[in-house]
Amino acid sequence: EVQLVESGGGLVQPGGSLRLSCAGSGFTFSGYEMNWVRQAPGKGLEWVSYSSSSGGTLYYADSVKGRFTISRDNAKNSLYLQLNSLRAEDTAVYYCARDDTGSDAFDIWGQGTMVTVSS
Amino acid sequence: EIVMTQSPATLSVSPGERATLSCRASESVSSKLAWYQQKPGQAPRLLIYGASTRATGIPARFSGSGSGTEFTLTISSLQSEDFAVYYCQQYNNWPPKVTFGPGTKVDIK
Repeated sequence: EVQLVESGGGLVQPGGSLRLSCAGSGFTFSGYEMNWVRQAPGKGLEWVSYSSSSGGTLYYADSVKGRFTISRDNAKNSLYLQLNSLRAEDTAVYYCARDDTGSDAFDIWGQGTMVTVSS
Repeated sequence: EIVMTQSPATLSVSPGERATLSCRASESVSSKLAWYQQKPGQAPRLLIYGASTRATGIPARFSGSGSGTEFTLTISSLQSEDFAVYYCQQYNNWPPKVTFGPGTKVDIK
């Protein structure tokens, strides 16, 4: 079964840091571009970051540029998101999502991990 | 940045009826548009990509149309499991950025 499983969320104080992980299984992880998408409570979807299949090309939303870092370890079938200098407005469920090679749509999503930034 | 709008914000429909959801882009995205379904407490699920191609396993009652700046998702006969929030997403000139619409909630009339 093709699957993505996120972990690492939790409660963190403003200005703090957190590292999210996303483990892929059931497919050739190294062959796919990957993304992080977040959803604030009761709100819509916001794309956060992108990694090419090799990890050599990375992109970020303006709202997180300079604070978040995406990375991947293809040997471990894993995607990561390092969240630094966290703000209250970063509170959200964070999803990892696979970028379908043929369509560029996000065809597989994890179940999400909740990040709460609060003092 | 391409801005996506969706209408209506909420659509009340009876089971068995047809639902028509609209999505508009602030500039042309060609056919680089996807639709996602999200139920409470669940991750989004890809329904349609390329504006009109159903994703794997998606029932035929879901159909997408449009190109350029105007798009439509039609659910021909609503089933109980279809009551959810639907998001459109443009991925023209992707990467580096994609943008989502604000969503349309389809609820029971």
